[in-house]
Amino acid sequence: NAGVTQTPKFQVLKTGQSMTLQCAQDMNHEYMSWYRQDPGMGLRLIHYSVGAGITDQGEVPNGYNVSRSTTEDFPLRLLSAAPSQTSVYFCASSPGRSGYTFGSGTRLTVV
Amino acid sequence: AQTVTQSQPEMSVQEAETVTLSCTYDTSESDYYLFWYKQPPSRQMILVIRQEAYKQQNATENRFSVNFQKAAKSFSLKISDSQLGDAAMYFCAYRSFETSGSRLTFGEGTQLTVNP
Repeated sequence: NAGVTQTPKFQVLKTGQSMTLQCAQDMNHEYMSWYRQDPGMGLRLIHYSVGAGITDQGEVPNGYNVSRSTTEDFPLRLLSAAPSQTSVYFCASSPGRSGYTFGSGTRLTVV
Repeated sequence: AQTVTQSQPEMSVQEAETVTLSCTYDTSESDYYLFWYKQPPSRQMILVIRQEAYKQQNATENRFSVNFQKAAKSFSLKISDSQLGDAAMYFCAYRSFETSGSRLTFGEGTQLTVNP
């Protein structure tokens, strides 16, 4: 089992560019989430999904889109990158009643 | 909305000593889990320990144990016989099974330094 796989690990974008952060899990977990981590602020929820075809907004959804067409994949799209989106992004997945398993993170810098 | 508070931004401990990290949470729900996650410099999020709210017995995993005070909404982590490898950021997290999404809500984290 690979667990939760995030790509890329590092990315530099120019303001206004768009991109997709990929997340895949091979554990057949129904729950998946995207978080961003900023210094001194812990992890904040961007979007989450409770199963294929079902997504919802978290605390900080503005500027991000998600979709979940399969159980395995949960990509995060940045529509028009802004410097305020410079952060470390984590994808996580979970079965019904358990902790979440996290990917290794993507460090994104927007210049 | 549920909130999780870690009031100690930084803590330090001598190697082989014991340290306790504090966490409080606010909820009106009864069906939830609490977690402690460790984030070393590699930035990988590692699950340390889990506590189900309906269980009265405090969870223990080797050198890690919790003091779960449900009425006080307190959930502290005790690390015994601290090792250099325990140095990391520690996050307390809450997961509800009553509100939609069953999401994790995190505290701000406590940076633990272990001194040799």
